[in-house]
Amino acid sequence: EVQLLESGGGLVQPGGSLRLSCAASGFTFSSYAMSWVRQAPGKGLEWVSTISGSTLSTYYADSVKGRFTISRDNSKNTLYLQMNSLRADDTAVYYCAKDMPWFGIWGQGTMVTVSS
Amino acid sequence: EIVMTQFPATLSVSPGEGAILSCRASHSVSSNLAWYQQKPGQAPRLLIYGASTRATGIPARFSGSGSGTEFTLTISSLQSEDFAVYYCQQYNNWPPLTFGGGTKVEIK
Repeated sequence: EVQLLESGGGLVQPGGSLRLSCAASGFTFSSYAMSWVRQAPGKGLEWVSTISGSTLSTYYADSVKGRFTISRDNSKNTLYLQMNSLRADDTAVYYCAKDMPWFGIWGQGTMVTVSS
Repeated sequence: EIVMTQFPATLSVSPGEGAILSCRASHSVSSNLAWYQQKPGQAPRLLIYGASTRATGIPARFSGSGSGTEFTLTISSLQSEDFAVYYCQQYNNWPPLTFGGGTKVEIK
């Protein structure tokens, strides 16, 4: 069974940093592009970033470019999102998602709250 | 950036009735469109990709149509588990990948 399990969310002050992880299982992780999608409380879905499976090409939304870094460790079947210079408007549930360019499988999400 | 607009924002439907949800793109996205369903407290679930291809395990009462800038998701006979928020997403021209604002299908 394909599973994605996010972790690393929490409460952080504005300007702070956080690293999210997404542990994958049930498929050949290195063969698939992976993405992060977020959802602010009561709002819609916003694509954040994507990383390819093996070439490690990365793509970012303008709203996070220069502050967030997506990466992966194919030996550990894990996807990461390093978030720096966090702002209040980064507050959201962050989902990792498998497949591109549509998102076939989603994790359960991890909540990030940016507040003083 | 391609802007996706969904309408109506809320659709009130009685169980057993059909529902038609609309999604419009600011520029043509060909057939590069997906639909998702999201229930409260849950992650989204892929329903449709390629504008009209049902994802694995999705019931036949869900169907997608359209191309270019106009798309519809039709639910032929709403079941209790279908009351949720539905999002469209374009992947023709990215980055960025963009979603519509969602349509909430509620019980009438």
